[in-house]
Amino acid sequence: AQKITQTQPGMFVQEKEAVTLDCTYDTSDQSYGLFWYKQPSSGEMIFLIYQGSYDEQNATEGRYSLNFQKARKSANLVISASQLGDSAMYFCAMREPYNTDKLIFGTGTRLQVFP
Amino acid sequence: GAVVSQHPSWVICKSGTSVKIECRSLDFQATTMFWYRQFPKQSLMLMATSNEGSKATYEQGVEKDKFLINHASLTLSTLTVTSAHPEDSSFYICSARDGASFAGEQYFGPGTRLTVT
Repeated sequence: AQKITQTQPGMFVQEKEAVTLDCTYDTSDQSYGLFWYKQPSSGEMIFLIYQGSYDEQNATEGRYSLNFQKARKSANLVISASQLGDSAMYFCAMREPYNTDKLIFGTGTRLQVFP
Repeated sequence: GAVVSQHPSWVICKSGTSVKIECRSLDFQATTMFWYRQFPKQSLMLMATSNEGSKATYEQGVEKDKFLINHASLTLSTLTVTSAHPEDSSFYICSARDGASFAGEQYFGPGTRLTVT
């Protein structure tokens, strides 16, 4: 069965510094998708970045990049130049392939950016 | 970008009453929508998958008679919590899959906080 693991319940980072949020996954499928979402205190889930299992290059979206290491089954999110507005919960998710596109979420990491 | 709305954003109801939550995709057609439940400081748990024009598929352990889902059009899905009890108090979030997107990412609504007294 597919599983997503986020081992960091909380992380602190100083403004303008980079931070890496860890995510490992477990699947026996060859085709899958990995997502990162941000959830501010207001509750909405904001899509950040996507990595397909067959993508050879790491995904990047502005200040967000995904460090995809397929052999290690890790998909860490790197946020560069952190901003105070980055403080939020961050969830890693994996899309189950070949069915209804269900997302399996990790337990999340709370990131706090301080001045 | 793709926008999904949810209504209401919060609701308080008495035990035994029913509550309907609407989820709308505003600028794209969503053949598939998903309903999640999130308890405080926990992750999102998928409740059901809603497909336009067909019956919803419920996850194991989710009572289909208690959580009624209707996906009547390509832009609207509703979740009705029937005979609500205090243990149903939670944050309910819907998402809609953008079928036109290669990645098929899901866009989430802002959530509905339900409190049952």
